Amino acid sequence: DIVMTQSPDSLAVSLGERATINCKSSQSVLHNSNNKNYLGWFQQKPGQPPKLLIYWASTRESGVPDRFTGSGSGTDFTLTITSLQAEDVALYYCHQYYNIPYTFGQGTRLEIK
Amino acid sequence: QVQLVESGGGVVQPGRSLRLSCTASGLNFNIYIIHWVRQTPGKGLEWVSLISSEGTNKFYADSVKGRFTISRDNSKNTVYLQMNSLRDEDTAVYYCAGVGSSWTFDYWGQGTLVTVS
Repeated sequence: DIVMTQSPDSLAVSLGERATINCKSSQSVLHNSNNKNYLGWFQQKPGQPPKLLIYWASTRESGVPDRFTGSGSGTDFTLTITSLQAEDVALYYCHQYYNIPYTFGQGTRLEIK
Repeated sequence: QVQLVESGGGVVQPGRSLRLSCTASGLNFNIYIIHWVRQTPGKGLEWVSLISSEGTNKFYADSVKGRFTISRDNSKNTVYLQMNSLRDEDTAVYYCAGVGSSWTFDYWGQGTLVTVS
């Protein structure tokens, strides 16, 4: 199984500042056939299901604010939230869909400093 | 507007069975791959199972293989998860999720809580 490891486990950032969450996979999730990274990012708020933010490592889901940016390739990925807003307080998960079983990172809790 | 609604959760004793349902609306259901994903406070998000659009291909996590069975009835826009021989560690919120153009979980239900105790 591909193990997804996020860092940090929790993060406190001031409003308007940048938040950076890292995700590392135990093996590459870059598919050579289409040069796509099978890596997604989800946001989860209390009492709600996860919400897809980013797929193919860097493609923003429709309706997601452009302050959310995904980057990286192979085994190392980053979710960056520029100019943090109060509504961004949530748990964030990375996830690989390169092969079965699909796996998730342990989550990063983002709070306001 | 795409909507997935899970049902069938509840409290069940170890060793017993439960069947979850996931009913969809607002999408052409019979072209969508559907997954079950569960979440516990201790283990986070765990992928459980998936079924192809026509129901031919099914996959399971090792932790549920041989105990859980996924199926679908496209005439009812519904996917089922039959859970047998339930264990304490199956206690979780179970979500169904639909795969869209992202090739991953575009659509999620609100989840249904299964408590094995």
